[in-house]
Amino acid sequence: SQTIHQWPATLVQPVGSPLSLECTVEGTSNPNLYWYRQAAGRGLQLLFYSVGIGQISSEVPQNLSASRPQDRQFILSSKKLLLSDSGFYLCACSGAKNIQYFGAGTRLSVL
Amino acid sequence: AQKITQTQPGMFVQEKEAVTLDCTYDTSDQSYGLFWYKQPSSGEMIFLIYQGSYDEQNATEGRYSLNFQKARKSANLVISASQLGDSAMYFCAMREGNTGGFKTIFGAGTRLFVKA
Repeated sequence: SQTIHQWPATLVQPVGSPLSLECTVEGTSNPNLYWYRQAAGRGLQLLFYSVGIGQISSEVPQNLSASRPQDRQFILSSKKLLLSDSGFYLCACSGAKNIQYFGAGTRLSVL
Repeated sequence: AQKITQTQPGMFVQEKEAVTLDCTYDTSDQSYGLFWYKQPSSGEMIFLIYQGSYDEQNATEGRYSLNFQKARKSANLVISASQLGDSAMYFCAMREGNTGGFKTIFGAGTRLFVKA
């Protein structure tokens, strides 16, 4: 079964600084990969998904971007963070029946 | 457009009792999948149970069962014999399509509190 690694677990960044969150997957090949954001006490908002290397679909226009340089690597980035980028970021990989399996998440605080 | 509705922001249940968490969905697709996830305070999202729209029997996984009522478009989660460790946020989710649907939509969640 697949394992999703996400780091860092927590991150505090100043407004205007860059961001790079990395997600790697083990135990599967050519996975569909996803980035979600969760505001405090809310549901999950899909930000990006990827069906293959270099293939990125954006769900919500915003200050963030995603890249998939390798089959099992998915990166979430920003050139300049905003206060509104604070939240809990989750990477996921879909398996059989498109069940989503999640990493442990990154809590981002932009101050 | 698809939509997931969880009308219970919070629920309380006594330890060892059963609890039902409500979920209704809206889709025009004939083929879709329904999921429940658990999110403890640590933040990780844990997959609990899956129901396909063509599955004739309700899904069960240990103490979890999914009460699927297709005509009413509801997919309630039933947790039997609640345990203190069941205290968490629970999310209902849906994706349209059989194998080609890439996107999963999540509800707002229900916070479950299990009392000793």
